[in-house]
Amino acid sequence: KQEVTQIPAALSVPEGENLVLNCSFTDSAIYNLQWFRQDPGKGLTSLLLIQSSQREQTSGRLNASLDKSSGRSTLYIAASQPGDSATYLCAVRLQGGKLIFGQGTELSVKP
Amino acid sequence: EAGVTQFPSHSVIEKGQTVTLRCDPISGHDNLYWYRRVMGKEIKFLLHFVKESKQDESGMPNNRFLAERTGGTYSTLKVQPAELEDSGVYFCATRGQMNTEAFFGQGTRLTVV
Repeated sequence: KQEVTQIPAALSVPEGENLVLNCSFTDSAIYNLQWFRQDPGKGLTSLLLIQSSQREQTSGRLNASLDKSSGRSTLYIAASQPGDSATYLCAVRLQGGKLIFGQGTELSVKP
Repeated sequence: EAGVTQFPSHSVIEKGQTVTLRCDPISGHDNLYWYRRVMGKEIKFLLHFVKESKQDESGMPNNRFLAERTGGTYSTLKVQPAELEDSGVYFCATRGQMNTEAFFGQGTRLTVV
């Protein structure tokens, strides 16, 4: 049974710091891995999607890596800003499209 | 292009009542998923439609939950009768046939009192 774990559960950093959010999964038989952002009371916004054959994806200040064999992904945020404050969710996609989510990391970036 | 639309955004009902949640997918997206997040837990899969057919309903908690997608367009999720433990945020996501990225709606926050 696929399980996804995100560490840390919460993180508070001063503005400008570079930070890393971690995601691990128990079964390497995934189709892809997706990082989402959720603001309070809002839906999920897709940030980055990494196919199972890829090692990393980049979008602006965000970089996500995937090591399928070890069951790990990291989301790197460079030069963090207060507007980055949100909950970050990692999800792996199984055959058929079902997503298995981690519990999320609640990020707070202080001005 | 409109995104995934869910309504109502928030519903408060009494235990034993019935509630129907609706999801309007992105036009042309054959794959539609329902997910739920209860307090303190991760988002969990409920079921998957391909057009009007249920592809996978392994995540449906019990027979008080009924999902439909008539005509392969919008979908409804009915909870009857609602129980306290059904409270949470219900998300709908859709995906195109060839596109692997899932797009989520804003969610419906259901509170059963």
